[in-house]
Amino acid sequence: SQQGEEDPQALSIQEGENATMNCSYKTSINNLQWYRQNSGRGLVHLILIRSNEREKHSGRLRVTLDTSKKSSSLLITASRAADTASYFCATDNYGQNFVFGPGTRLSVLP
Amino acid sequence: DAGVTQSPTHLIKTRGQQVTLRCSPKSGHDTVSWYQQALGQGPQFIFQYYEEEERQRGNFPDRFSGHQFPNYSSELNVNALLLGDSALYLCASSLGSGSYEQYFGPGTRLTVT
Repeated sequence: SQQGEEDPQALSIQEGENATMNCSYKTSINNLQWYRQNSGRGLVHLILIRSNEREKHSGRLRVTLDTSKKSSSLLITASRAADTASYFCATDNYGQNFVFGPGTRLSVLP
Repeated sequence: DAGVTQSPTHLIKTRGQQVTLRCSPKSGHDTVSWYQQALGQGPQFIFQYYEEEERQRGNFPDRFSGHQFPNYSSELNVNALLLGDSALYLCASSLGSGSYEQYFGPGTRLTVT
């Protein structure tokens, strides 16, 4: 089974609202990353958070990591229609390959 | 500065056939990883090439093989295609096999009929 599991599977919000999606994983990690994918195209790297970090910001993105609960959350503030995409978390097991979860499909309605 | 490129964009093959997908890494990158993404799922790691050798491999059968050339470009070969091989195949490049920064290409959509 996959290392990461995003929750919810799908999320629909109005433009301007905040979107929160969660990721849980099973084993110890070195870092966790979030990616965005538009309409089945390539993945775009959003943010990386290391295992010794608890929170990280990048523009309208805020990521938290709780290694004791093996979970992470991605918050997108003031969402826009252009944020409509699938969001994936990926864990890196100490230099080994990336393991992706099944993703959260976000729809931002105008 | 060109990013990761993949060819072809789309491909339709018949069960039992063989297919070759190609990837050119981002300029300056020497490591290429391949992922399979089924519809509605997250990418699944196939293997990684560094210094023209397969360094890591995911849980994929031997029908999936690859190659990396001296210019760091890479090919993914799939033999004896099955319907279940229909997916988006993503290539990602990085600098060094242990790098956390992977840059993805747009993918090749393979349909097996």
